[in-house]
Amino acid sequence: RKEVEQDPGPFNVPEGATVAFNCTYSNSASQSFFWYRQDCRKEPKLLMSVYSSGNEDGRFTAQLNRASQYISLLIRDSKLSDSATYLCVVRPTGGFKTIFGAGTRLFVKA
Amino acid sequence: GAVVSQHPSWVICKSGTSVKIECRSLDFQATTMFWYRQFPKQSLMLMATSNEGSKATYEQGVEKDKFLINHASLTLSTLTVTSAHPEDSSFYICSAGGGLAGTDTQYFGPGTRLTVL
Repeated sequence: RKEVEQDPGPFNVPEGATVAFNCTYSNSASQSFFWYRQDCRKEPKLLMSVYSSGNEDGRFTAQLNRASQYISLLIRDSKLSDSATYLCVVRPTGGFKTIFGAGTRLFVKA
Repeated sequence: GAVVSQHPSWVICKSGTSVKIECRSLDFQATTMFWYRQFPKQSLMLMATSNEGSKATYEQGVEKDKFLINHASLTLSTLTVTSAHPEDSSFYICSAGGGLAGTDTQYFGPGTRLTVL
């Protein structure tokens, strides 16, 4: 079993749609969780951290369920510019070692 | 935010040659740097953790003698792909964290695209 597993993609949605990505992780001792965005042929960029209480940043909402070892990302009112690959990222223990999910591709169409 | 640079941004080389990739933290000191490899349509795979002043820690399946890592200062780590072969062609990305960058922040370099002919 992979350490971090994500929804298979791609997701094709129209502008304005709401889309949700899911991610599960296998190491119950994992401490930190993130969503990154990666555009084609570019480096990943931090989208948001994920906290147990859930957090929201504009149109983006991230949730963490430690009991189920599950992370989600919700994008509301999708924009064309949201088209990218979204990476679920887990930091298993203290420090900076980071495990990436395979990513889910999102295509937002006009 | 903090900036991490990589050099070169792309390189094409002949099979059998060695290629050195530099990763620099430009405005902060990074006690730890990470090297990742990403094949097309796949996610980033951690290759090794580079700690300033000590030996790198390699992930399972990554050959230490093929991917030489040196972290000689708090702002520079280098990855040398020795005797490169076509199967080493990939997108190599470094990231830096720790030190004055903060305790929970990891910054990525722009990546180096290696093509081995």
